Amino acid sequence: EAGVVQSPRYKIIEKKQPVAFWCNPISGHNTLYWYLQNLGQGPELLIRYENEEAVDDSQLPKDRFSAERLKGVDSTLKIQPAELGDSAVYLCASSADRGSYEQYFGPGTRLTVT
Amino acid sequence: GDSVTQMEGPVTLSEEAFLTINCTYTATGYPSLFWYVQYPGEGLQLLLKATKADDKGSNKGFEATYRKETTSFHLEKGSVQVSDSAVYFCALLPTGFQKLVFGTGTRLLVSP
Repeated sequence: EAGVVQSPRYKIIEKKQPVAFWCNPISGHNTLYWYLQNLGQGPELLIRYENEEAVDDSQLPKDRFSAERLKGVDSTLKIQPAELGDSAVYLCASSADRGSYEQYFGPGTRLTVT
Repeated sequence: GDSVTQMEGPVTLSEEAFLTINCTYTATGYPSLFWYVQYPGEGLQLLLKATKADDKGSNKGFEATYRKETTSFHLEKGSVQVSDSAVYFCALLPTGFQKLVFGTGTRLLVSP
């Protein structure tokens, strides 16, 4: 069974530029999460999807961040414009359903904003 | 709010030494508790879990017991290997929510 796939693995951009991250969850997993992991910190939830519906986006900075999961499968997280403080690892995770305890994480995208 | 506190690292051990990484939590109700491990260059992997008080989670020689009276979920292993070198995250899932709350992580370095 393939795991959670994320791309790109690394991205370096200049500040004020846009950037997008892509995630493909484990097949059949209805719930998808985007987390932000700053250096030396634990992951923090940005947004959670149940199928194509964003059910928890309370931690997503909506002035510059956006996300979509149009067909309830893969998802894209976008930042526009990027700021220096956005340099971090962006993790995607999925779980089988709402009642599942276990979240499966992808390898993450390491973003560096210069 | 809900939170997790882990001991600061790095924890440096010799191979075959005993490992303890402390984790305490603050939460209302009866959260589920987890240990995740992150190997260099990889994503987080679930190591073990416990969903109610006095449950013991175990995997790959690691163990942790859900202690509600001390709000703790300490990770232990009797004999560490070099391949155990990684960052370990304690996390909780609050009752009725799907949002994992992570600690800051503890880096473990095991030398031969």
